[in-house]
Amino acid sequence: SAVISQKPSRDICQRGTSLTIQCQVDSQVTMMFWYRQQPGQSLTLIATANQGSEATYESGFVIDKFPISRPNLTFSTLTVSNMSPEDSSIYLCSVDPSGGTDTQYFGPGTRLTVL
Amino acid sequence: GQQVMQIPQYQHVQEGEDFTTYCNSSTTLSNIQWYKQRPGGHPVFLIQLVKSGEVKKQKRLTFQFGEAKKNSSLHITATQTTDVGTYFCAGRGTGFQKLVFGTGTRLLVSP
Repeated sequence: SAVISQKPSRDICQRGTSLTIQCQVDSQVTMMFWYRQQPGQSLTLIATANQGSEATYESGFVIDKFPISRPNLTFSTLTVSNMSPEDSSIYLCSVDPSGGTDTQYFGPGTRLTVL
Repeated sequence: GQQVMQIPQYQHVQEGEDFTTYCNSSTTLSNIQWYKQRPGGHPVFLIQLVKSGEVKKQKRLTFQFGEAKKNSSLHITATQTTDVGTYFCAGRGTGFQKLVFGTGTRLLVSP
C-alpha cells in the first residue's frame, strides 16, 4: 500500500483564477494518476504523470487547462487553470505502488468550489 | 470507448439484509478491482480479480469475476451500518486500454 497526502484539502476560488494541488507519496512510485470526481459521480482519469516525462492526458483533458508537474518519484502537482464553475469537483491523486497491477491507492482528495 | 455500468445505482437496506451490486463492461477486461468510498471520503481499494470465474471472499464480502471477464459482482452478507458508502468497480480492457471506473452503487444501511 501507500500513504498519500494532498494539499489543499479544499478551496473556494473565483472564476478565471488557477489552483495548484499537491500530491505527496510516502514511497517512490513510477506512475501517479490524477482523477476528477464531480458531485455524486464516478471517477474520471485526467492524466498519468511519469517522472521525467510529459504527462499523458486522456480524451477531453488538455495540458493548457490541467498542467501537471512530476519533479521526482514521490511528488506531483496538478494545476486547474482559468477556472470556471464547471471545474467544481473533487480532484484525487492516486498511485499503483506495485507498478502496473492497476491497484490504485488514492489520496484524500481536494474539494474545489469555483464561484 | 469502454464503458462500465453498475446496477443498481442506489440501494437502501435494513441492517442484516444482504446486498449485491453488479458491474458490467462493454468490453472484455484483463482484470477488475473493487473500491469502497465512504461519504466524504476517498475510494479505498478492496480487492482485485484477474482470472475468469474467480471468486474471492473478505469476511462478509464475496467478489466474483464472470466467466467471460465482462462482468463482476460484489455481495455483502448481513449488512452492517459500517458498510454504508459507494462501491465502485474498475476495469482495464484488454489491449492496454485505460483503467475505467464503473458508475458506482450507493449503499445505505438503516439500523
